[in-house]
Amino acid sequence: AQKVTQAQTEISVVEKEDVTLDCVYETRDTTYYLFWYKQPPSGELVFLIRRNSFDEQNEISGRYSWNFQKSTSSFNFTITASQVVDSAVYFCALSDLTGNQFYFGTGTSLTVIP
Amino acid sequence: GAGVSQTPSNKVTEKGKYVELRCDPISGHTALYWYRQSLGQGPEFLIYFQGTGAADDSGLPNDRFFAVRPEGSVSTLKIQRTERGDSAVYLCASSSNAGGHNEQFFGPGTRLTVL
Repeated sequence: AQKVTQAQTEISVVEKEDVTLDCVYETRDTTYYLFWYKQPPSGELVFLIRRNSFDEQNEISGRYSWNFQKSTSSFNFTITASQVVDSAVYFCALSDLTGNQFYFGTGTSLTVIP
Repeated sequence: GAGVSQTPSNKVTEKGKYVELRCDPISGHTALYWYRQSLGQGPEFLIYFQGTGAADDSGLPNDRFFAVRPEGSVSTLKIQRTERGDSAVYLCASSSNAGGHNEQFFGPGTRLTVL
């Protein structure tokens, strides 16, 4: 069975602090894809990153970085020097072998306090 | 270019009524997905179209839910005999290629409220 767990329901940080959002997944597939999406208050989900199961290299994009560790089935997301505009709900998602379905976690609501 | 659009943005209906929710995907995108998002939850997969055909409808909760995409572009999600538990935001997403490995572009959603 496919499952994504985001144990952190809500996080509040003060602007300029770093914050890490946790994501743990379960799958029996050897080939799968992991994603992070951002859902700002406007409601529209915005794609942030895709990672396939064969690529464990960490990735950095500006203030965002992702740490993929197959050994612990985790795909954590770090925002460095957080800004108020980062306030949103962040979803981690898993795509199964067929690629037809996405399995989303329950999301982490991040509030950045000015 | 235009993104994914969904109409209406809000729909209020009474229990037992029939509703249709529309999705206009990004032009040229062959893959289209419907999701349902309840308050405080992540999107829940409902159905996936590749072209005109439903490639995977395993997420539809019961036979009151049905979706079509007759010309491989616009899709309509239809809910018969609505129940209060159907209240949620219904999200549509499209992708340029088959399968979920590619980035999905989401619409703003339709908020359905069943009274």
